[in-house]
Amino acid sequence: DTGVSQNPRHKITKRGQNVTFRCDPISEHNRLYWYRQTLGQGPEFLTYFQNEAQLEKSRLLSDRFSAERPKGSFSTLEIQRTEQGDSAMYLCASSLQGEEAEAFFGQGTRLTVV
Amino acid sequence: AQTVTQSQPEMSVQEAETVTLSCTYDTSENNYYLFWYKQPPSRQMILVIRQEAYKQQNATENRFSVNFQKAAKSFSLKISDSQLGDTAMYFCAFMNRDDKIIFGKGTRLHILP
Repeated sequence: DTGVSQNPRHKITKRGQNVTFRCDPISEHNRLYWYRQTLGQGPEFLTYFQNEAQLEKSRLLSDRFSAERPKGSFSTLEIQRTEQGDSAMYLCASSLQGEEAEAFFGQGTRLTVV
Repeated sequence: AQTVTQSQPEMSVQEAETVTLSCTYDTSENNYYLFWYKQPPSRQMILVIRQEAYKQQNATENRFSVNFQKAAKSFSLKISDSQLGDTAMYFCAFMNRDDKIIFGKGTRLHILP
């Protein structure tokens, strides 16, 4: 296992377009997290899953954002009708519940909305 | 709601010196985890050290140690004998009983040669 994998690494899109990011967690990790990080800031919680169940979605997240983890393995994060304010690094992390609680992060997807 | 506060946006120290990064948090829970994560420039986040709230003993990992003051809700990170490779953003993080992890805004640490 090579760790948490995120694709694409970079995405440039025009305002108003939809984008989808993928995260492949470490095998057997049942927890999966999505964060948004802007330059020089800390990761902002978006949502997280236990297996296929979405446990919580940030109240700061608009209805344009949706995340899924249909089979409890990989996850997708979709942003509809992108805005320039959506430009950020989107981070995915996974962990195994109860295993010393360590979350492993992917390298992120950098989104630029032009 | 839990919050994590890092009051030092940026710090600089000379190589080989000791530096302490501050973190405070707010929660009504009694059992939780605290973490320090490191994010080097243009690289992914990695765990530096973790602390279980029910353990009184402060965690230590080689040159990294924490000062966990549960009553004060304080969780500082001490880096001893700092090295150039320690230059990074450092994030304090809190995990609640539902395994939700929230982060502070970070401290940018520069180790100067």
